[in-house]
Formats: sequence, structure tokens, C-alpha cells
Amino acid sequence: GNSVTQMEGPVTLSEEAFLTINCTYTATGYPSLFWYVQYPGEGLQLLLKATKADDKGSNKGFEATYRKETTSFHLEKGSVQVSDSAVYFCALIFSGSARQLTFGSGTQLTVLP
Amino acid sequence: SQTIHQWPATLVQPVGSPLSLECTVEGTSNPNLYWYRQAAGRGLQLLFYSVGIGQISSEVPQNLSASRPQDRQFILSSKKLLLSDSGFYLCAWSVDRGTTPLHFGNGTRLTVT
Repeated sequence: GNSVTQMEGPVTLSEEAFLTINCTYTATGYPSLFWYVQYPGEGLQLLLKATKADDKGSNKGFEATYRKETTSFHLEKGSVQVSDSAVYFCALIFSGSARQLTFGSGTQLTVLP
Repeated sequence: SQTIHQWPATLVQPVGSPLSLECTVEGTSNPNLYWYRQAAGRGLQLLFYSVGIGQISSEVPQNLSASRPQDRQFILSSKKLLLSDSGFYLCAWSVDRGTTPLHFGNGTRLTVT
């Protein structure tokens, strides 16, 4: 079956530090990949996406590259801010199937001033 | 533009009482609709999804049920709540084209006492 494995949290960084949250997946075929962010007490917001190998998704200074050879989609940001503190979820979906959306377990990020 | 509304935002209910959470989507037709649950400190669990009116698929057997009485309305119910039903419930929608992402509501925090 399909699965997503995320870096264990929580992750605590100082402001302006470099962020990497690892995400790898297991899937038959070539899914689309997403990163969602959940701020405290809120629902999930789509942060970025990539639909095919070597695509790079980017938004709000965050980036992730779809690496087919390593089945990975690591999230990176060069300089984090306190406002980036949230839970980050990696997810995958296959075309044409309403139920094949798979989430990772989430990674809690706390950025200290 | 499309919007999703979910209510109530918070709910405290005694064990054995009924439950009804409602979700509506505006600005799109025939969306796929989803109910997810997020237990404290854990990832997202898909509970139900629907590809059309009256069409409900259950992912996890439990004492919850879902209904879709109208195209853009999705309701999560229970006849008798258990303590283990406490959690953060998220409604989401997507269009069934390609690999478009899910869009989430702001969630309902349910505490069963």
C-alpha cells in the first residue's frame, strides 16, 4: 500500500535558522506530492505541491523537490520565522481516485525568537 | 472562489449524547467531500469520503456515520458519543480531476466528557 514517512518531531529552531523536514514515500506509480501546514487551532492549508518528478514546489520561502530516485519530498526553508511555528504534513495523492490521499504523521515545528 | 464552512468550531458533549457536525462548500459543483479526525498529538485519519449525493464510503468502522443530503453538504453524526471520539474533526473538499489537492475547513474541536 501507499505510505508517507515524515521526520519525527518536535523540531525546535531559533529564528533565521535553516529548516529541513524529511519526507519519504512508498507508492506504486507516480503520485502527486503536497505539503500542508496547520497553525494552532486551525485547519490544514496547502503550502506547496509537485505533480511530477523533478518538479519544485515553492511558497512563502518554503521549497520541496520531487525526487523520484529517492522517493522523497523534503521541505526546506532558508531562514525560519517565529510565525512559521506550526505542524507540517507531507501527503500524496493519485490521479482519479477520491480515496487515495495519504498523509504523513505530521511534524511539529517551533521557532524561538 | 470556493469556500468551505464547518461548524461548530468547538463542542463539549457528554458521553452517550448524539453528535452532528456540518460542513458546506460554496463555489463549486459535485465536489468530493471528506471527514478526517486528528487525535491529540497524532496524524490525520480519514473517516469518510463521498463522491456524490448519497454516496458515502467508510474507511474506519466505528460509531460514527456520515451523510450527504445535498451536493455541497456533508454531515458527520453519532447516536451515542464515546470518550474516544474526542478529537479535532476536519472537513475537506476536492474536485475529481487529476491530482488536485484537498482544501480543508477550520475544524471542530470535540471534547467528550
